[in-house]
Amino acid sequence: QQPVQSPQAVILREGEDAVINCSSSKALYSVHWYRQKHGEAPIFLMILLKGGEQKGHDKISASFNEKKQQSSLYLTASQLSYSGTYFCGTGTTSGTYKYIFGTGTRLKVLA
Amino acid sequence: NAGVTQTPKFQVLKTGQSMTLQCAQDMNHNSMYWYRQDPGMGLRLIYYSASEGTTDKGEVPNGYNVSRLNKREFSLRLESAAPSQTSVYFCASSPSWRSEAFFGQGTRLTVV
Repeated sequence: QQPVQSPQAVILREGEDAVINCSSSKALYSVHWYRQKHGEAPIFLMILLKGGEQKGHDKISASFNEKKQQSSLYLTASQLSYSGTYFCGTGTTSGTYKYIFGTGTRLKVLA
Repeated sequence: NAGVTQTPKFQVLKTGQSMTLQCAQDMNHNSMYWYRQDPGMGLRLIYYSASEGTTDKGEVPNGYNVSRLNKREFSLRLESAAPSQTSVYFCASSPSWRSEAFFGQGTRLTVV
């Protein structure tokens, strides 16, 4: 029941765009996105709720397709600071605290 | 503002030993969580506390117990450590289920 993230890893040059997908076999109510740098704690990026709008700030945005049970994270004009591992955490019901995380997507941005 | 503080940062245990991982948050959050992170496995929820006085099992609770001591503190206890419990443990807190979670810096536990 762990969501599947794709791709597993991606290498970009500064300024390039990337899309990270998170797919679940179960109906979803909410999706969290986090970024984690090596040896550090995960940092929250955004949360999307069923029926809500696409979110975004700066050059990072995300969408939530309830019918397809998936979410996508969009990174535009990548910066070196975007390097890290991205995790989605999925919730299947309203009010749940039991977020199930994907195995992560390793992203590396090169100068 | 310290956020979420975990102690200790590193620990080595022998099989069968017990220990308690401590977590405290100073953001007045209602909800607190314990996760473990293994290579290639992402984060897995061990236990959570939706609010002070309540605790509930997550994905992988076997071998662990928790105590929500007060609103600030949420501890994780390993009664009889096993090598399979070698992992990085993260504590997190959030205002509610639909809010961002703030993570501590993690405890790297090795059981030999």
